[in-house]
Amino acid sequence: DQQVKQNSPSLSVQEGRISILNCDYTNSMFDYFLWYKKYPAEGPTFLISISSIKDKNEDGRFTVFLNKSAKHLSLHIVPSQPGDSAVYFCAAPTGNQFYFGTGTSLTVIP
Amino acid sequence: DSGVTQTPKHLITATGQRVTLRCSPRSGDLSVYWYQQSLDQGLQFLIQYYNGEERAKGNILERFSAQQFPDLHSELNLSSLELGDSALYFCASSVGGRVGYGTEAFFGQGTRLTVV
Repeated sequence: DQQVKQNSPSLSVQEGRISILNCDYTNSMFDYFLWYKKYPAEGPTFLISISSIKDKNEDGRFTVFLNKSAKHLSLHIVPSQPGDSAVYFCAAPTGNQFYFGTGTSLTVIP
Repeated sequence: DSGVTQTPKHLITATGQRVTLRCSPRSGDLSVYWYQQSLDQGLQFLIQYYNGEERAKGNILERFSAQQFPDLHSELNLSSLELGDSALYFCASSVGGRVGYGTEAFFGQGTRLTVV
């Protein structure tokens, strides 16, 4: 049962443009969400988070938006840079585990 | 550097064999989580230990087992290995036993297991 879903396995954008990565969840009890970034041969690293009491959280070029009614969150990267090319996972911690999506592989084309 | 150490980084073994993966959590973290990432798959939760005790089980096969020692390092034992067990195995750690608002997990670099 995939409680956190990322329906786009891959995304390609031009350098300087906006990258939008999407994530959907099914469990209305989730109240905190994280985005992780993963480079090949490395472990995932924390990128940005958002609490369910907010609908937006911004950190530099990265902004996460949360739409609780739609059970949907998105990560915006503006402007996209080649170094942003990685796999991005959304996650929701609850209870005793972190529920992860399947990831979206972002390629930023120079 | 996340502070989570996993060894070995790479492991190649034959079907039917048994291997042990090791994880040292971040200093101060009491919880250790094990995840499996197969090709084109997301991070599948296997098991969580908190301060030496098993706290939660995910999709962990009976051929797999884990433990957390008094010094808080953890080992994941994989036995009777099959070709399909080839994957990246990640260990993560966090401070508390339950997770939720404000909790992050810190990941190690993973162990790439190849079963031939």
